[in-house]
Order: sequence, then C-alpha cells, then structure tokens
Amino acid sequence: DAMVIQNPRYQVTQFGKPVTLSCSQTLNHNVMYWYQQKSSQAPKLLFHYYDKDFNNEADTPDNFQSRRPNTSFCFLDIRSPGLGDAAMYLCATSRELSGANVLTFGAGSRLTVL
Amino acid sequence: GQNIDQPTEMTATEGAIVQINCTYQTSGFNGLFWYQQHAGEAPTFLSYNVLDGLEEKGRFSSFLSRSKGYSYLLLKELQMKDSASYLCAVRDSNYQLIWGAGTKLIIKP
Repeated sequence: DAMVIQNPRYQVTQFGKPVTLSCSQTLNHNVMYWYQQKSSQAPKLLFHYYDKDFNNEADTPDNFQSRRPNTSFCFLDIRSPGLGDAAMYLCATSRELSGANVLTFGAGSRLTVL
Repeated sequence: GQNIDQPTEMTATEGAIVQINCTYQTSGFNGLFWYQQHAGEAPTFLSYNVLDGLEEKGRFSSFLSRSKGYSYLLLKELQMKDSASYLCAVRDSNYQLIWGAGTKLIIKP
C-alpha cells in the first residue's frame, strides 16, 4: 500500500541533544509537510517542501531545520531540543498545494525531552 | 487574524447521532476539510466541502455554508470506535491550511 512512514515512532532525547526524525512516502506526492502537534492543540505547520522548494513558516524557530534529499524522503532536525519541543511530529504529503488535495499523514513521531 | 472555532469536547451515546460544529474566519476560502484523529495517532481524512450544501459519505455527512463561515460534521449510528478528536481545517486564499484545535468526542455505551 502506498503510504507515509515515519521513524522513529517514539524518540526520547536529553535537553540540548540533537534529534533527527525521518519521513518517507511511496505516494510520489510533490508536497511534504512537517507539523508539530501538542496535546489537545491544532497541528502547527513548521515548514513544507514543494518538490525541492523549501517554505519555512515565519514563526518556526531556527532550532528546527529540514532536508529533502529526494522526492521520497524528508527529515526534521531539531538542533538543540528544549522541554517545550516535546510533542508529536507529524509528516504529511499531498499531490499539490491547492484545492481538494488531501493531506495524507504518517503515524507520527512522539518526542520526549528529558 | 485567522481563526477556526470548534467545541473542545462533546459526549454522545452509542447508536445516537452527534453534530460537531465548526466556524471559521479566514482570509479567503478554498475548501474545508474534516479529519478524524484517534488518541496518539495521525489524522485521517473524512470529508471535503468547497460548495454549499451537504456531502454524505456513509454514516458521516459534512455540511458547509460559506456565507455563514460555518460547517458541521454529522455522525450517525455512533459506534465506540468513533471516539476520537475531529479536526476542522480551512484552506485560505493563499492555499494555507488553517486548523482548528479539534473536538474530542466521547462515546458512552
């Protein structure tokens, strides 16, 4: 089945220790997104790629970086995690940015910061 | 600013019907989505409305009134597995998705 796969599902790190989360897709979608979601809150868009074009949200901290080496893979790097970065990180894809293009989400990576 | 409002939590009985409302104020409108999210899991797509009216899909229906900035998700014949959060999201004129915080639906036997 075509899908979006995130690894790891659960990540525990220490305060300030870098973390990388990965996302892969077999849908051949043009757009890949990274969202941060805290308990009972709306998903917050961190950035998205349209193909190789990177789009950073204005309020995304510099601590968060992303790489998309090819169509299938996208990475989220958190350079120095703080306690406030503990959250579920969701990767999603869509064929295009506009209209009825549905986002397909991965199962998420839950980050705990000690 | 852009805003999506949904009730924080609702409770309903197994077998009953529940309506979850969503009101929005956004810069333009290019469609409204409903997603279901079980606790600790990723959101999954339920429905999309871009024109006024009711879209029916099995036990779930979604309604849109663009003039009122209003949508609802109607769930019929509730089952215990419908216990989840339901997220409303609007695509604005810049094609950004604006998300609500979700409505946690609790189903009681």
